[in-house]
Amino acid sequence: DIQMTQSPSSLSASVGDRVTITCRASQGIRSDLGWFQQKPGKAPKRLIYAASTLQSAVPSRFSGSGSGTEFTLTISSLQPEDFATYYCLQYNTYPRTFGGGTKVEIK
Amino acid sequence: EVQLMESGGGLVQPGGSLRLSCVVSGFTFSSYWMTWVRQAPGKGLEWVANIKQDGSEKYYVDSVKGRFTVSRDNAKNSLFLQMNSLRAEDTAVYYCARTTGADYWGQGTLVTVSS
Repeated sequence: DIQMTQSPSSLSASVGDRVTITCRASQGIRSDLGWFQQKPGKAPKRLIYAASTLQSAVPSRFSGSGSGTEFTLTISSLQPEDFATYYCLQYNTYPRTFGGGTKVEIK
Repeated sequence: EVQLMESGGGLVQPGGSLRLSCVVSGFTFSSYWMTWVRQAPGKGLEWVANIKQDGSEKYYVDSVKGRFTVSRDNAKNSLFLQMNSLRAEDTAVYYCARTTGADYWGQGTLVTVSS
């Protein structure tokens, strides 16, 4: 199985900060990776697919990069509504696997 | 508008069975792979199963193989997850999602396995 190692597991940041979250795959997955945002008690929402393509209606402050084994989600200027938990998902190989999550909290 | 709605969750005893349903609207269901994902209380997301458009291919996480069965009824825009021999560790919110890349999700249904 492909392991998705997500870091950090949590971070504290202020409104306006630039935030970067990383996912490393235990083997190459091309660009078959998505990023998701989940708020408490809600279903996840996809932000990015194919590693770097922004889902429609997602603000442009979110961006994704990477291919192969290393991937990054960047929030260029953190907004109050961005405080949530973020997950990556590889959909290159079965079984599909999620990263462990990154909780973004208010500093 | 793409919509997915799960149902069928509830409290079940260990060893019992439950069938989850996911009814969709706003897109051509028969054209998409579908996905089940679960989330144990306070934990992260876990991919559970995928099913191809015509049901001819199905994939499962190892922990549910032989116990869970994913199926679909394209005429009724419905996805199912038959869960047998349930264990305490299957307790989770179960989500259905569209495509293997999970672009749209339902709101989830809670399954609690407890005596």
